[in-house]
Formats: sequence, C-alpha cells, structure tokens
Amino acid sequence: DVVMTQSPLSLPVTLGQPASISCSSSQSLEHRDGNTYLIWFQQRAGQSPRRLIYKVSNWDSGVPDRFIGSGSGTNFTLKISRVEAEDIGVYYCMQGTHWPYTFGQGTKLEIK
Amino acid sequence: QVHLVESGGGVVQPGGSLTLSCAASGFTVSKYGMHWVRQAPGKGLEWVAFLRYDGTSTYYAESVKGRFTISRDNSKNTLFLQMNSLRPEDTAMYFCAKDQWLEIDYWGQGTLVTVSS
Repeated sequence: DVVMTQSPLSLPVTLGQPASISCSSSQSLEHRDGNTYLIWFQQRAGQSPRRLIYKVSNWDSGVPDRFIGSGSGTNFTLKISRVEAEDIGVYYCMQGTHWPYTFGQGTKLEIK
Repeated sequence: QVHLVESGGGVVQPGGSLTLSCAASGFTVSKYGMHWVRQAPGKGLEWVAFLRYDGTSTYYAESVKGRFTISRDNSKNTLFLQMNSLRPEDTAMYFCAKDQWLEIDYWGQGTLVTVSS
C-alpha cells in the first residue's frame, strides 16, 4: 500500500498568519491517465471530513481561496494564506491513484 | 444535493455481528462507487471497504477481509456493511462515502460502533 506521511502532526498557528502542511507519498501519485489523485480533507471537531481540494489543486465548491493546494509526484502541500478561527481542525491528505486509497495520519491545526 | 445518512451502529460484544446502513439521496448509488471508512476514537481515517459502481467487484482492507461484507440495495438507494466476528479493535465511527472516480467527494455523518463485553 502507498504510505502517506504528513508533517507536522500538530501545527500551532496565530490567527491571521499563514500555515503550511506537507504530505509525501511512498510512490508517485501521477496516474497513467495523466491526473494526480491527491485530495485534502478538513475535519472539524465532532464532524465528518469535508473535501477541500481535489486533484492536488482544485477547490471544492464553497472552499475559501485562502486554501491552496500544490505539488506533484510524491510531494504535496496545503497552504492556508491567513488562518481564521473556522479553520481549526484536523487536515488529512488522501491518495486515490493506487489501490487501496490511503490517508495521511492527519495534521491538527490549533490556535497558538 | 448529495446526502448520506448512516445508521445501525451500537454496542456489541466481541464475536458479535452488526449491519450498518447508509441511505443516499441526491444521487443514485448504482451509478457510483461507494466506500466505508472508519475512525477509531481519537485516531485517523482508515479505509475499510469499496463497492464498484457497477456492483461487479468489492474490495476490503486486510484487517476486515473475510469478516465484513459491503453491499447495496438499488431499490432503496442504500449501502450496507455487514460486520461479523467483531473485535474490540473494530470500535470506531463508521462513515460511508461517495466515490468520484479515484476520489472521495462526499461523506456521511457517521455511526458509532463499540465492541466491548
């Protein structure tokens, strides 16, 4: 199985400041169809995950543009340009290029 | 609008069985692959099972293979997870999730399964 490794696992941030989460995969996530199936989810406390970003850098409907996904191959990043209080939660990367789908361990974004 | 509602969770003794349901609305389950994903208390997400959109194939995590069965009822637009020989380590929130070709796009709110004597 493809191993997804996130860092850091805990990210204390100051409101209004930027934040960055890394996700690396044990194999390239470029699919033979040319797409890269790397997703970012946000999970707020007591809620189910919500997809923010798909195919590395595409926003889901309603997702603020302060969330920016980037990367290729085996290294990916989710950046939040200015953290707001509603962004607090756990962020997961997930790959769908290789079967089975696998998730990163999660990064807990918390207020400093 | 896509909506997924899980039910059927509860407390069960080790070795027992439970069937989870996931009622879908806003789309037709027979046209999309569907997943079950679980989350142990305080832990991360673990993929559990997948049913291909055409119903021809099912896939399972090694940890549940031979014990869990994923299925659906097209007439009820509902996904199921039959869980047998339950173990304490199966204790988790179980989410159903809709597949969008190699990506998960929507999740239900989850149903809690507790395996304990």
